[in-house]
Amino acid sequence: GAVVSQHPSWVICKSGTSVKIECRSLDFQATTMFWYRQFPKQSLMLMATSNEGSKATYEQGVEKDKFLINHASLTLSTLTVTSAHPEDSSFYICSAIPGGPGNSPLHFGNGTRLTVT
Amino acid sequence: GENVEQHPSTLSVQEGDSAVIKCTYSDSASNYFPWYKQELGKRPQLIIDIRSNVGEKKDQRIAVTLNKTAKHFSLHITETQPEDSAVYFCAASINNDMRFGAGTRLTVKP
Repeated sequence: GAVVSQHPSWVICKSGTSVKIECRSLDFQATTMFWYRQFPKQSLMLMATSNEGSKATYEQGVEKDKFLINHASLTLSTLTVTSAHPEDSSFYICSAIPGGPGNSPLHFGNGTRLTVT
Repeated sequence: GENVEQHPSTLSVQEGDSAVIKCTYSDSASNYFPWYKQELGKRPQLIIDIRSNVGEKKDQRIAVTLNKTAKHFSLHITETQPEDSAVYFCAASINNDMRFGAGTRLTVKP
């Protein structure tokens, strides 16, 4: 149980275009989902917390107008990288916590490797 | 906010030896400490976790210890095997706000 599905697994786009990444909780409802970015050989850096039915909470230094997050249902959050540039190339990974309030392990999606040319 | 430091950044051991990875955290309110294993290009996988009301937890070859007073926690892997080679991340969480350490690249030599 507690499966998080992320799509696409990889995408190559041209500079200036936008890319949408989907994150779905398949067998549980997730009022909160988390988006992380991981550069090569680096750690997972929290970008934003996605809240169902309300605005996402962005970490300091993350441009909310560039990384648009929509959490329209209890099982789906999307991250749109707008006007992508080569420096946005990274591994983007979403996660969710089944089971409601209280500390629990994050369950991660498979990640999306974005390459901007 | 919470700051998690992890050491060492790389660790190489012989098969059968033990490996220890250490983390410290800054916010005494953190109360949940998971450890994740990530293989190249894949998602992080939870391998063990510990809550602040417990000092030690063991699962077969893997154990985690927590010292709340000193604000540090450690991962211990015994009888290491080549398939244990991966990057390991510690994390500290307050009410589901989870922050990760920088990671440790573990290499187990056959």
